[in-house]
Amino acid sequence: DARVTQTPRDKVTEMGQEVTMRCQPILGHNTVFWYRQTMMQGLELLAYFRNRAPLDDSGMPKDRFSAEMPDATLATLKIQPSEPRDSAVYFCASGLGQVPSSYNEQFFGPGTRLTVL
Amino acid sequence: AQSVTQLDSQVPVFEEAPVELRCNYSSSVSVYLFWYVQYPNQGLQLLLKYLSGSTLVKGINGFEAEFNKSQTSFHLRKPSVHISDTAEYFCAVSDRGNQGGKLIFGQGTELSVKP
Repeated sequence: DARVTQTPRDKVTEMGQEVTMRCQPILGHNTVFWYRQTMMQGLELLAYFRNRAPLDDSGMPKDRFSAEMPDATLATLKIQPSEPRDSAVYFCASGLGQVPSSYNEQFFGPGTRLTVL
Repeated sequence: AQSVTQLDSQVPVFEEAPVELRCNYSSSVSVYLFWYVQYPNQGLQLLLKYLSGSTLVKGINGFEAEFNKSQTSFHLRKPSVHISDTAEYFCAVSDRGNQGGKLIFGQGTELSVKP
């Protein structure tokens, strides 16, 4: 059955290292969202794309985070350099933007648990 | 702009007891409303959604929610909970006029079902 996949599921890295997280949206979905979840802040929207173009990345720290969609089947979130405060679970979600019958429903991946030491 | 307030951060309840998780929202436009559930170490999955029509919405796993426009609420209920319902529950709202737009999530309510 169709689902959003994310890799890696777990990542442990040292401060200063580059981290890349990948997301494969559900085939046919044209909107991709990146969220970060922490105990303190809850679920935060970092950025989202429609038809591979960034629509809103206001939730993302610009100096170290970047998000891209190289093609319709792959979204990436990169942190460079990583810091301990970036430790969180990062979720990708996809949906059918501008399709009225989608009602803005989002389908979430299992998340990438990032630990920066 | 919309906002969502989940009134309880934690709800402990005994198995087979009824439960209500409260959600209030604020919006100047018409909205769609959602409840998502997150089991430990998993992503969020949709429990139910209110789009239009009947204000009582039934979802998976025996949950239901009632949309109350005058009170701007969308409370989630289950008449008899199971241990397996232990999870975090998120209420979310989306602007009807913004197709493919953002979901605004509440802070979550942790439901803990005890034997």
